[in-house]
Amino acid sequence: NAGVTQTPKFRILKIGQSMTLQCTQDMNHNYMYWYRQDPGMGLKLIYYSVGAGITDKGEVPNGYNVSRSTTEDFPLRLELAAPSQTSVYFCASSLTGNYGYTFGSGTRLTVV
Amino acid sequence: AQTVTQSQPEMSVQEAETVTLSCTYDTSESDYYLFWYKQPPSRQMILVIRQEAYKQQNATENRFSVNFQKAAKSFSLKISDSQLGDAAMYFCVLTGANSKLTFGKGITLSVRP
Repeated sequence: NAGVTQTPKFRILKIGQSMTLQCTQDMNHNYMYWYRQDPGMGLKLIYYSVGAGITDKGEVPNGYNVSRSTTEDFPLRLELAAPSQTSVYFCASSLTGNYGYTFGSGTRLTVV
Repeated sequence: AQTVTQSQPEMSVQEAETVTLSCTYDTSESDYYLFWYKQPPSRQMILVIRQEAYKQQNATENRFSVNFQKAAKSFSLKISDSQLGDAAMYFCVLTGANSKLTFGKGITLSVRP
């Protein structure tokens, strides 16, 4: 049972480049989330999904896009990377949305 | 809007001693859940303990327990018999009907041998 798998673990992007952060869970969870963690701070919600085909914005969605075509996958797309997007990104999933969340191991992204 | 406040950025505890991490929150919902998550240097987020707002009994998980004061909107974590492996950043987290997690800024706990 892999839980929540994020790839890549590290990435350096140049300003203006694009990339997709992958997130897959094998627990058949309905709820999936993308968070970012800036140094010394808690996590802030970027986007979330309550099921396949349904996505919604979180607290800091600007500069990002998501899709949820299957229950398992919830990729996060960065378009036109900016230095302000330098952060650690976490994907998480939950069965019910309030019982507890399983987090991936994070992706450290640096935009230079 | 939901808010979570962790006012202490750092704390230190002697190994085998007890330490309490403070958290206050605000929400307009009557049905919500509170969590403490641990983030060690490995960066992995680990669920420590969970509390349902409608339950008056404080949650416990082995050496970890909470003091949930609903009227005061306070949710502190007590770690008993502290171990070196408890050193980490700890986040107080709130969620409600919208199923979105609201995080505090976290507190860095160090354990002295």
